[in-house]
Amino acid sequence: QKEVEQNSGPLSVPEGAIASLNCTYSDRGSQSFFWYRQYSGKSPELIMFIYSNGDKEDGRFTAQLNKASQYVSLLIRDSQPSDSATYLCAVNAGAGSYQLTFGKGTKLSVIP
Amino acid sequence: KAGVTQTPRYLIKTRGQQVTLSCSPISGHRSVSWYQQTPGQGLQFLFEYFSETQRNKGNFPGRFSGRQFSNSRSEMNVSTLELGDSALYLCASSLGRGRSLAGGLYFGPGTRLTVT
Repeated sequence: QKEVEQNSGPLSVPEGAIASLNCTYSDRGSQSFFWYRQYSGKSPELIMFIYSNGDKEDGRFTAQLNKASQYVSLLIRDSQPSDSATYLCAVNAGAGSYQLTFGKGTKLSVIP
Repeated sequence: KAGVTQTPRYLIKTRGQQVTLSCSPISGHRSVSWYQQTPGQGLQFLFEYFSETQRNKGNFPGRFSGRQFSNSRSEMNVSTLELGDSALYLCASSLGRGRSLAGGLYFGPGTRLTVT
């Protein structure tokens, strides 16, 4: 059973701080890793993906991947109240797999 | 470019009935996936279609079925509805190129199904 684990939170950070969201996965052969943001009552929105070990930056967001430790993280710099949402980590096993396995999400609250 | 669209947005059905949900992918996307989201189980994969062929199926009973049409539009059907089928059903599309979902999935707004 392939699993993706996230702390459910809530994770509370003050406005302007760095929010750090973490995810571990069980399938060592996983190839692609995704972060989705889901506002209450809305559908998930793709915010970042990463395939290679190391960091990938996009604006205020940085995704970090460590395949040896089977660990993915998302950093949100200069957190804003509008970043308050549930963040879902998702993993794809790679070639021949056409599904994403999702964690249950971490709820982030950014306090003004 | 228009996003993924799903109809209807809300449905209320009675146990034992069946339901059909519809999805239109982003223009140019040939892969369509379906996911069920519930508070307890989170997002769970139902099935994925590419060029009218089902390539992957999740661990759901045979009451859950789907299909894809030549224009990439997709439908999913749930027969003999049970109370536990109440959920948000999400359709997602991707380019579907290559042999994986390397480009990620783009979700529609979902259909909220309530079974009473």
